[in-house]
Amino acid sequence: QKEVEQDPGPLSVPEGAIVSLNCTYSNSAFQYFMWYRQYSRKGPELLMYTYSSGNKEDGRFTAQVDKSSKYISLFIRDSQPSDSATYLCAMKGPDSNYQLIWGAGTKLIIKP
Amino acid sequence: NAGVTQTPKFRILKIGQSMTLQCTQDMNHNYMYWYRQDPGMGLKLIYYSVGAGITDKGEVPNGYNVSRSTTEDFPLRLELAAPSQTSVYFCASSQQGASTDTQYFGPGTRLTVL
Repeated sequence: QKEVEQDPGPLSVPEGAIVSLNCTYSNSAFQYFMWYRQYSRKGPELLMYTYSSGNKEDGRFTAQVDKSSKYISLFIRDSQPSDSATYLCAMKGPDSNYQLIWGAGTKLIIKP
Repeated sequence: NAGVTQTPKFRILKIGQSMTLQCTQDMNHNYMYWYRQDPGMGLKLIYYSVGAGITDKGEVPNGYNVSRSTTEDFPLRLELAAPSQTSVYFCASSQQGASTDTQYFGPGTRLTVL
């Protein structure tokens, strides 16, 4: 079993829809949770960063962490064609200074 | 501020050839990383460095070597290229001790080994 599971998609939705992207993980020690966005033929860039449980909102994006279920989500409201990208979740525990554990990434397509 | 730059952007190698992937960052970050990304597989850590002169293996180091003589540069060396090394290679850097230790990525090098 992988430490982090993420459905690779692709996930195709119409413009304006609410998008839900998810990751599950097995290591209960993970405390730091990140979502990176990767456009085609580009490097990943940090989108959202969350410590421990709860929600964090930034514009149209909301990151949610449920540590009891070992489940994290990224919600995108009013999705735009420019949101089309691959979204990778990443996480790490308190004892790791450097190593992120990555999900496989979900390819998202927003249709105009 | 260029961030993290990588050269070359693309390369085709024959089996058994060697090459060096270059990575430079201008953010004065102490940590640097090399990842490979295969389709549907996420990012796998090859090597990392916590500062000039200090490097260590990641998850998939076999077939690769690194050095870090300066804060800015972190080249990745492929010796005796094999088809299994066909991948997209990303270099990244971060400043440990910062509030989020965000990793900043370069644009990647697409390598094909035939």
